[in-house]
Amino acid sequence: DVKVTQSSRYLVKRTGEKVFLECVQDMDHENMFWYRQDPGLGLRLIYFSYDVKMKEKGDIPEGYSVSREKKERFSLILESASTNQTSMYLCASSGKAGKRETQYFGPGTRLLVL
Amino acid sequence: GESVGLHLPTLSVQEGDNSIINCAYSNSASDYFIWYKQESGKGPQFIIDIRSNMDKRQGQRVTVLLNKTVKHLSLQIAATQPGDSAVYFCAENGNSGYALNFGKGTSLLVTP
Repeated sequence: DVKVTQSSRYLVKRTGEKVFLECVQDMDHENMFWYRQDPGLGLRLIYFSYDVKMKEKGDIPEGYSVSREKKERFSLILESASTNQTSMYLCASSGKAGKRETQYFGPGTRLLVL
Repeated sequence: GESVGLHLPTLSVQEGDNSIINCAYSNSASDYFIWYKQESGKGPQFIIDIRSNMDKRQGQRVTVLLNKTVKHLSLQIAATQPGDSAVYFCAENGNSGYALNFGKGTSLLVTP
């Protein structure tokens, strides 16, 4: 079974803090994704990566950056957290680079920025 | 722009009945479709997928139907159980690039 894990289930941070969200997958997948999920807005893609050290902006990259130093790990960074970044963050991975196929999701990190 | 949409935001069914969740898509280039289930407080879980060279695919208690003519996708759940209560998303690969397009979800509530 594919397993995607996220470092925290719940996180509370203050405005202006730097926040790191970590995601690890154990299926040797090449593609990894970060989404945020908000009521009424569905899943919105923040960033994705199709290879180590490669990254592409999604639909809403502003205020976020990412890092992919190892194939199995994809980190989402909030350089200076703001209250409008309070959300559920979901990491996903999928198999072959360049192929749009099934994405497997982690359990999510619910972030509250005060 | 392209969109993936769901006809009903909420669906309430009685335990034991069959459920049908619908999804419309607009990109005729889409050739791969997925249904996900998301329980409260959890990440989306893959249920079933279908490629555009098929119009029906069955899994355990679930069936996905694809009508490419009207760009419509449905998920049928047989003998719905309380554990089926969740939000269901459709997704498709119509855009260029690596990402999928996700619908906003339909909330399924199973009542005893």
